[in-house]
Order: sequence, then C-alpha cells, then structure tokens
Amino acid sequence: GAGVSQTPSNKVTEKGKYVELRCDPISGHTALYWYRQSLGQGPEFLIYFQGTGAADDSGLPNDRFFAVRPEGSVSTLKIQRTERGDSAVYLCASSSWGEVGELFFGEGSRLTVL
Amino acid sequence: GENVEQHPSTLSVQEGDSAVIKCTYSDSASNYFPWYKQELGKRPQLIIDIRSNVGEKKDQRIAVTLNKTAKHFSLHITETQPEDSAVYFCAAISGSARQLTFGSGTQLTVLP
Repeated sequence: GAGVSQTPSNKVTEKGKYVELRCDPISGHTALYWYRQSLGQGPEFLIYFQGTGAADDSGLPNDRFFAVRPEGSVSTLKIQRTERGDSAVYLCASSSWGEVGELFFGEGSRLTVL
Repeated sequence: GENVEQHPSTLSVQEGDSAVIKCTYSDSASNYFPWYKQELGKRPQLIIDIRSNVGEKKDQRIAVTLNKTAKHFSLHITETQPEDSAVYFCAAISGSARQLTFGSGTQLTVLP
C-alpha cells in the first residue's frame, strides 16, 4: 500500500474485554514498530519487529499485551483484560532495514476502555 | 535506557517570527535525532533529522543543530506561518537499539 494502514481507527470496549489492533505496513518494510500515545504525550515505545520476530519487546507494559507478525508483514497488537488505563492511541510505524532512519507512522487506532 | 527531555511544552509566536524548540538526551551512544510534526488527530510525520556525525542541517525554513558534548539538539523554524502550528516531537535513538525515544512534545501556535 501507499502508507501504513491501521484498523480499526476507533475502538470502544468495556473493561475486561479483549481487543485486537491491526497494522499493515508499507510494502517491503521489514521493520515494524508499535507505539502508544496518551493525550498530551509523546509516543511511547511498545515493541519492535524485524521480520517475523520480536526483536525488542521491552516496552510492553505487562503480560496483558502481546503482538504478533506471523508472515513478516501485517502485525496484530493484542490486549487482554483491558483496563481503563489502556485507553490511548496505538500507533504503528514501519521502516526499511539498514541504517536507522525515518519511521512512517499510521494514523493510529484510538482505544477507549469504558 | 534513553531519556529525552523537551521544552518548552507550549510556544506561541507571531507569524514571521522564529521558533526554537530544545531537547536534551541522556545516552551518549545515541546517534540519530529526528523531529516529527503532528497535527491534531493526525499521524506524526518526519520533518527533519540529523545524525551524530554532523552539527547542523538545514531544509528551507527548518534547521536542526546538535551538540554532542552537551547532549542537546534544537529545532529552528524561521519565518513561521500559521500552517506551522502543530505539536513537534524530538526523538533520539542509539545505534545499539532501534527504538525511538520521544520527547513530550511542544505545542507551537503561530498567531496571524
């Protein structure tokens, strides 16, 4: 695709429910990142994939959060037993491999936990 | 890990004036420093970046300076226009990791 695509754009759920957020990166980009952005804050790193494997998941806040990228392209961020504090915009970004450079962000998935 | 501090949190300037946003970082191994612009409800977009082997980079009305010794870098916008109004984020990344650490953002308002 032309850019990073994220679905859904908005998700409202109840506390305790399970949610999945999807990211479709730019074609050919092997690196994929998930960030979380709370209101008035900068994006906060969650996890980074190189290909199919999670190269760095040090930003995942706890074991309720999990992400996969089974075929090295589309990624899904999974949140179990959602809490009100999980409410935020979840941003996905992709980049080409090699020297660190520009991250191309999607428009984000706004998650609201009631 | 890396820690990036950004200030000011809000900045208002008159159209045509210059704006300066400053950031400091903690990891001396950091070697890549991008600046992102985020309009309300939109995605962050890269506007300029600098690597640790240069001290300054300019692109039309936007420039970034880097002081590795002091571990700080700054964004300079000249001849500001209303469309420059947005939130600006600095970020840093070290060569050993690929995670960008962002500052907390600066809300820039250009008054017509």
